Amino acid sequence: GAGVSQSPSNKVTEKGKDVELRCDPISGHTALYWYRQRLGQGLEFLIYFQGNSAPDKSGLPSDRFSAERTGESVSTLTIQRTQQEDSAVYLCASSLASLENEQFFGPGTRLTVL
Amino acid sequence: QKEVEQNSGPLSVPEGAIASLNCTYSDRVSQSFFWYRQYSGKSPELIMSIYSNGDKEDGRFTAQLNKASQYVSLLIRDSQPSDSATYLCAVKSRSGNTGKLIFGQGTTLQVKP
Repeated sequence: GAGVSQSPSNKVTEKGKDVELRCDPISGHTALYWYRQRLGQGLEFLIYFQGNSAPDKSGLPSDRFSAERTGESVSTLTIQRTQQEDSAVYLCASSLASLENEQFFGPGTRLTVL
Repeated sequence: QKEVEQNSGPLSVPEGAIASLNCTYSDRVSQSFFWYRQYSGKSPELIMSIYSNGDKEDGRFTAQLNKASQYVSLLIRDSQPSDSATYLCAVKSRSGNTGKLIFGQGTTLQVKP
């Protein structure tokens, strides 16, 4: 079956612009996660959605970052007034449920802020 | 102290040898442990999960977990050049009822022909 998909694969933007990143989880996966990976670094958790529960936003680095998910489908991560330090690969993952199940990653969106 | 620690490497082994990758974690309530492989420029790919103390084998890969020592490892037998990648250890905690994974910085493995 289809894996997690993300779009765009690459995004170059100017400092101060807003960007929107999209994630399509694996069909039937109720949990969805966003992570960020800066060059040469490990993955940083950003936000987690589980069904209709309130999302865990504890990893969002500032109020410029927000994310939405409608039901158990597509999620969008929005970064407002982008800064150069936002440059990273943004990875989305999904799983069947949150507590025990394995997370599968999409190909990522490489964001470059000039 | 970092929540999940790995030696960054690079770990260099000859083709056919056993590669041993190690990871320690700080949160005692951690329940689920994962190893991901990440090739340069690609996203992480799940290769092993382990939840109970002891060993879990899958093909050439063996994950080992020791909760008392807060230690998890990955052994790769008969290492191949195609195994050259960064291996990420990830830990999921039950505290706070969150599904998030905490990742180590990764160990770079080089398998030399």
